[in-house]
Amino acid sequence: IVMTQSPATLSVSPGERATLSCRASQSVSSNLAWFQQKPGQAPRLLLNGASARATGIPARFSGSGSGTEFTLTISSLQSEDFAVYYCQQYNNWPFTFGPGTKVEIK
Amino acid sequence: EVQLVESGGDLIQPGGSLRLSCSASGFTFSTSAMHWVRQAPGKGLEYVSAISANGDRTYYTDSVRGRFTVSRDNSKNTLYLQMSSLRTEDTAVYFCVKWDGSSADPWGQGTLVTVSS
Repeated sequence: IVMTQSPATLSVSPGERATLSCRASQSVSSNLAWFQQKPGQAPRLLLNGASARATGIPARFSGSGSGTEFTLTISSLQSEDFAVYYCQQYNNWPFTFGPGTKVEIK
Repeated sequence: EVQLVESGGDLIQPGGSLRLSCSASGFTFSTSAMHWVRQAPGKGLEYVSAISANGDRTYYTDSVRGRFTVSRDNSKNTLYLQMSSLRTEDTAVYFCVKWDGSSADPWGQGTLVTVSS
């Protein structure tokens, strides 16, 4: 399953809303996760099941979608949210990641 | 605290072999499936391999099948990735990840494998 993400880069001002998209080449049901990765760090799980926040993830992160179209929304960007975001399907092996969306400071 | 610590990364020549280890603590390792994910320098994430909790089922992505072998020693709380016939395109940071059926969490800090002559 090929995962695509858009946009590749998103320039956002602190406090603004960010909307990231992820598309699967075939249905993955709701077996979709989102990860955040900062430079030099391992990825961190944000959401799984397309919309369920992982432990300790702030409520400003939300997810939606099912099948082939998914969205990650960050309601009000904080300085610590500038990072690369990956979606990942775990419906079929091999699990696959999208190429990532870099959220940068505008 | 759940912790995963990878080791074994090194500079290795093409065609060589290397074994990575991932030491787990803070959870019941013997009941957790485990995954290996890699990230080439400046690139995205790629799943490499997976192993069931008791080790009876293993999975590989096409590019490493036949060259890499995943295994585990539940008595030592340790996950392994034996890599052989290494290629330059295997150069990456390798992460081990705990998998609970729907969550890849947490991740280790990664270990760097560099394949170069």
